[in-house]
Amino acid sequence: EPEVTQTPSHQVTQMGQEVILRCVPISNHLYFYWYRQILGQKVEFLVSFYNNEISEKSEIFDDQFSVERPDGSNFTLKIRSTKLEDSAMYFCASAGQVGEDTQYFGPGTRLTVL
Amino acid sequence: RKEVEQDPGPFNVPEGATVAFNCTYSNSASQSFFWYRQDCRKEPKLLMSVYSSGNEDGRFTAQLNRASQYISLLIRDSKLSDSATYLCVVSGNAGGTSYGKLTFGQGTILTVHP
Repeated sequence: EPEVTQTPSHQVTQMGQEVILRCVPISNHLYFYWYRQILGQKVEFLVSFYNNEISEKSEIFDDQFSVERPDGSNFTLKIRSTKLEDSAMYFCASAGQVGEDTQYFGPGTRLTVL
Repeated sequence: RKEVEQDPGPFNVPEGATVAFNCTYSNSASQSFFWYRQDCRKEPKLLMSVYSSGNEDGRFTAQLNRASQYISLLIRDSKLSDSATYLCVVSGNAGGTSYGKLTFGQGTILTVHP
């Protein structure tokens, strides 16, 4: 069964450093998403991406965040200058096969900002 | 008012019990409705979509009441493996697909004991 993959599984960084979280969506999917979940809290939408551009973003997704699909397979989330409050689980999701009606989530990257 | 509201529980039930979860949503324009399951420190996984006519998948039955903006999930004959957090999720995409952002409730914790 096709699946979304994410790397790394755990990233530890110092406050103020840049991090790049990587995702490989399911092949042939057209819609890509990033969500985050702070420990003990609900899953929150960050951004959606379609046709090589952001289609929607939340208030959380400020100028410190950016997304990119640098090639035909990877989908990345960059945090330019990490803050302590960016510590969370970041999930990538993809959707978009014809007839599908679900978003498939990757296993997540746990980001710890010290 | 929270966009998607669930009773956080926890629900502790014996094997074989029937348990029901409820959820309300605030955005009347929401078009798609789902129950996801999340195991500890794992990604959300789709359990089932929810339709106005109600739908059943084995031991799981989901109902949607658009007038009351209310969604429910019934689990019959609970198994130990049903222990997880159950997430009520809505999407506002007018196309009726999940191409749009997903809005999650905070989840209801279920523990099934022997």
